[in-house]
Amino acid sequence: EVQLLESGGDLVQPGGSLRLSCEASGFTFSTYTMSWVRQAPGKGLEWVSVLSGSGGSAYYAGSVEGRFTISRDNSKNILYLQLNSLTAEDTAVYYCAKIGVDGEFFGHWGQGTLVTVSS
Amino acid sequence: DIQMTQSPSSVSASVGDRVTITCRASQDISTWLAWYQQKPGKAPQLLIYIASSLRSGVPSRFSGSGSGTDFTLTISSLQPEDFATYYCQQANSFPLTFGGGTKVEIK
Repeated sequence: EVQLLESGGDLVQPGGSLRLSCEASGFTFSTYTMSWVRQAPGKGLEWVSVLSGSGGSAYYAGSVEGRFTISRDNSKNILYLQLNSLTAEDTAVYYCAKIGVDGEFFGHWGQGTLVTVSS
Repeated sequence: DIQMTQSPSSVSASVGDRVTITCRASQDISTWLAWYQQKPGKAPQLLIYIASSLRSGVPSRFSGSGSGTDFTLTISSLQPEDFATYYCQQANSFPLTFGGGTKVEIK
């Protein structure tokens, strides 16, 4: 059974940094593209970033490009998202998601971790 | 960026009703479209991918159709567990984008 467990969400001040983690199990982690999707309180879904299985190809939403960095450790089955220069607009639940083999669709999701940016 | 526009933003329906949600892409995305269901406080769940492929385990009352720019999610006979918010998502190109969501409420 695929399981994705996010952690690292916290209350952080504007301009601060945070690193989110997503521990994966139940599948061969290194062979799957992984992604982060976020959802601001009471709002819709926003794709954030995606990283290929090898870690060689990454893409970002324009709203986070240059501030967020996605990475992975295939030896530990963990996906990361480094969040820098945070603003109030980054306040959201951040979901880790596994991309399927039939296209860039999010077949499995974690339960999410809440990032709150506030002074 | 490809904009995804869903309509309606909300719909009130009764158990047993047929419900149709539409999603329009700002440019041709072929059939690179998915539909998700999200219940309050929970992560989204994939229902349909490649516009009309039903994910394993998803009830057959859910169906998807369309190609190019216009897509539809249909629930043939609404069940109590179907009251939720539904999102479309294009997978044609980066940045991946979602529609604004359609909330299906109890009438």
